[in-house]
Amino acid sequence: AQSVAQPEDQVNVAEGNPLTVKCTYSVSGNPYLFWYVQYPNRGLQFLLKYITGDNLVKGSYGFEAEFNKSQTSFHLKKPSALVSDSALYFCAVRFSSNDYKLSFGAGTTVTVRA
Amino acid sequence: NAGVTQTPKFQVLKTGQSMTLQCAQDMNHEYMSWYRQDPGMGLRLIHYSVGAGITDQGEVPNGYNVSRSTTEDFPLRLLSAAPSQTSVYFCASSPGGGTEAFFGQGTRLTVV
Repeated sequence: AQSVAQPEDQVNVAEGNPLTVKCTYSVSGNPYLFWYVQYPNRGLQFLLKYITGDNLVKGSYGFEAEFNKSQTSFHLKKPSALVSDSALYFCAVRFSSNDYKLSFGAGTTVTVRA
Repeated sequence: NAGVTQTPKFQVLKTGQSMTLQCAQDMNHEYMSWYRQDPGMGLRLIHYSVGAGITDQGEVPNGYNVSRSTTEDFPLRLLSAAPSQTSVYFCASSPGGGTEAFFGQGTRLTVV
């Protein structure tokens, strides 16, 4: 079955340290992969996407993500976390180019301590 | 540049009542969708539309109806509210292709 998973409910890091939020997927074809961030009482904001091409994708607010086809992963990374990065992060997948529906992971709460 | 607008932002319903959550987008996007967000479950697709006059069910459609009479509007109707429908509801739109979806600010619904 096609699915997307975020294996960590919570990630805690100190400000200035690297931040990684994990995402894995299971799909039979070539997926479109997305990361969104949600701040408290707000809607989802788009961070970055992978459609095709370079496996390292750069996005908003200094975030980047690496597409790894062999490991079916699309981990979100930031070299130096800020307290303001504390939020809920969602990985989302479109399972094919003909399917506009998004399937979301359960979300990972990131807390960056000063 | 309004983007995706949802109304109301908050709503309290009694069990058995009906209501409509409104969603409008001004970006001329063909694809629109409704999700519900529950703790620990991410966002789950309720209904979606690939264009005016075309709708289909998502992952959790029971208890909800939609229609798409115009490109701009995609209302979500709760037929007979139940406590299990207490959730935060998000509307999203996208132009299709490989582009990302744009989300509204959400409607927090409580059914008592």
